[in-house]
Amino acid sequence: QKEVEQNSGPLSVPEGAIASLNCTYSDRGSQSFFWYRQYSGKSPELIMFIYSNGDKEDGRFTAQLNKASQYVSLLIRDSQPSDSATYLCAVKRYSGGGADGLTFGKGTHLIIQP
Amino acid sequence: EADIYQTPRYLVIGTGKKITLECSQTMGHDKMYWYQQDPGMELHLIHYSYGVNSTEKGDLSSESTVSRIRTEHFPLTLESARPSHTSQYLCASSNRDRALGGYTFGSGTRLTVV
Repeated sequence: QKEVEQNSGPLSVPEGAIASLNCTYSDRGSQSFFWYRQYSGKSPELIMFIYSNGDKEDGRFTAQLNKASQYVSLLIRDSQPSDSATYLCAVKRYSGGGADGLTFGKGTHLIIQP
Repeated sequence: EADIYQTPRYLVIGTGKKITLECSQTMGHDKMYWYQQDPGMELHLIHYSYGVNSTEKGDLSSESTVSRIRTEHFPLTLESARPSHTSQYLCASSNRDRALGGYTFGSGTRLTVV
């Protein structure tokens, strides 16, 4: 089982609808959770982070975390064509010993249809 | 403007050549990372540093080496490039207090070894 799993897609959503992106992780000791957006040929860009159970909203984006289910999601409301990109879920695994680098999922390719 | 810079953006080089990929950040971040990403695949951590004179290998085995002589500079070196090294190399940095470990990425170096 991969440490961070995402459906690779593509996920196709009509413009103006809600896009729902999901991510599961295997390490129960994971502390922080991040969503990055990566346009083709570009580097990842941080759009949301969450570390407490529940919802966190920022503009059109809402991150949801359920540590009991080891599940993180990202909702994008009023989807725009400019939201078309690959969305990477990343998990900070632990803070003591070894690398505290982020572990990334493979990403979900999102297509917003005009 | 504080940022993280990678050079070159693209590099095509012959087998057996020595190469150095440059990464510099002006944000005063303690932690720096190198990730490798093949097209359509997840990012894999290959090196990280928590400060000057601190370097460690990441999760993915790599023949490259890194150094951290100055806080702002974290170059990656391949002594003898091979076609298997063809990939995108992404440098990132983080501040221990920033978004609980979220990264800022450079624009990446796309390396092709022929």
